[in-house]
Amino acid sequence: DSGVTQTPKHLITATGQRVTLRCSPRSGDLSVYWYQQSLDQGLQFLIQYYNGEERAKGNILERFSAQQFPDLHSELNLSSLELGDSALYFCASSRTGLDAYEQYFGPGTRLTVT
Amino acid sequence: AQSVAQPEDQVNVAEGNPLTVKCTYSVSGNPYLFWYVQYPNRGLQFLLKYITGDNLVKGSYGFEAEFNKSQTSFHLKKPSALVSDSALYFCAVRDLGGGFKTIFGAGTRLFVKA
Repeated sequence: DSGVTQTPKHLITATGQRVTLRCSPRSGDLSVYWYQQSLDQGLQFLIQYYNGEERAKGNILERFSAQQFPDLHSELNLSSLELGDSALYFCASSRTGLDAYEQYFGPGTRLTVT
Repeated sequence: AQSVAQPEDQVNVAEGNPLTVKCTYSVSGNPYLFWYVQYPNRGLQFLLKYITGDNLVKGSYGFEAEFNKSQTSFHLKKPSALVSDSALYFCAVRDLGGGFKTIFGAGTRLFVKA
């Protein structure tokens, strides 16, 4: 158990809908990362937050947004969902935002868009 | 732009034999290099990292990796494979000159046969 929790585990929704994925980092970790894992695209970095502030942005669509709250939990919002958004979404956390620290991954949220 | 390549989609090895999972990288500055493992229906788990210092890095579960700057490689190795090592392995790089993004390779599936 990495200490990173993600809810929900599974999510099934229809095209055009909006969903929110939630992540709680390990105790004491200040940085949160979001990743999308799909069969054809592999593991794609979406966005990173450090202590409430956006730190880095990857291949995140404009339909997607995220935030990190004062208690350090984070939410990833996905809107106007398309079939291609079906994937595993992982949250990870690290002690700080510094490059040297490894990331600890949550179990993921499996999103299915029908 | 930074990138990571894992040239083999799959590696097959017999239990008890040594294993190598290959990784090469391209960065503009000095790299921080990581290996992660993913078991079915689980998030990624950190195995080991190279930051600086000794080119041979030892990690969890008996794995080690060798950093080779001239060949820009960071191959994962284990002297004696176990069936339980069968999983998906990801190499990742953070480029000190490329912001705070972590780039993951496409992954290599390791099959260890009894």
